[in-house]
Amino acid sequence: AQSVTQLGSHVSVSEGALVLLRCNYSSSVPPYLFWYVQYPNQGLQLLLKYTTGATLVKGINGFEAEFKKSETSFHLTKPSAHMSDAAEYFCAVSDQDITQTSYDKVIFGPGTSLSVIP
Amino acid sequence: EAQVTQNPRYLITVTGKKLTVTCSQNMNHEYMSWYRQDPGLGLRQIYYSMNVEVTDKGDVPEGYKVSRKEKRNFPLILESPSPNQTSLYFCASSLSSGLYNEQFFGPGTRLTVL
Repeated sequence: AQSVTQLGSHVSVSEGALVLLRCNYSSSVPPYLFWYVQYPNQGLQLLLKYTTGATLVKGINGFEAEFKKSETSFHLTKPSAHMSDAAEYFCAVSDQDITQTSYDKVIFGPGTSLSVIP
Repeated sequence: EAQVTQNPRYLITVTGKKLTVTCSQNMNHEYMSWYRQDPGLGLRQIYYSMNVEVTDKGDVPEGYKVSRKEKRNFPLILESPSPNQTSLYFCASSLSSGLYNEQFFGPGTRLTVL
């Protein structure tokens, strides 16, 4: 079965500094990978996703992530943090193991809360 | 406006009192799903539906029921709620399979079971 880990449940950065949120996954088959963001009191919304092709994926609000198969990672970065980036970020991987009884599901990591310090 | 709506947004109830959380989407999506969000655990899938009359269990289906009689609606039913079902619940939908498509999330329902 797939699993997702996110290193650091809380990350603080200064405004203008680099944002790096880490995501590692376990998978026996090529995965589809997602990053979602949750602003306070809202549902999740998609930041970016990797399915196939180019391993560097660009998303909304200046975020990007790179799929590294050898490291089983999909870290999220943004060159310069903005106050409005403060939110909870979730990495997710799709479970494509069709040998499982129910395989059509997306597995979410525990989330990383990002704080941006003025 | 394309959206997923959930009702109610907040609910406080007592153990054993049946409740239903409604979910509706206006995007003609085939795939719908229910998640619960708990601190430190992220989102865990409760049930999902590939299409009308097709539902399947997610990771934590115990104590929950769903139905998909119409494409746009996917209610979550708690027949006999217990305190361990106190959580934040999200409904989501996507065009087809949730494997590779973006999921659109509702605003959430915060449930407290006393």
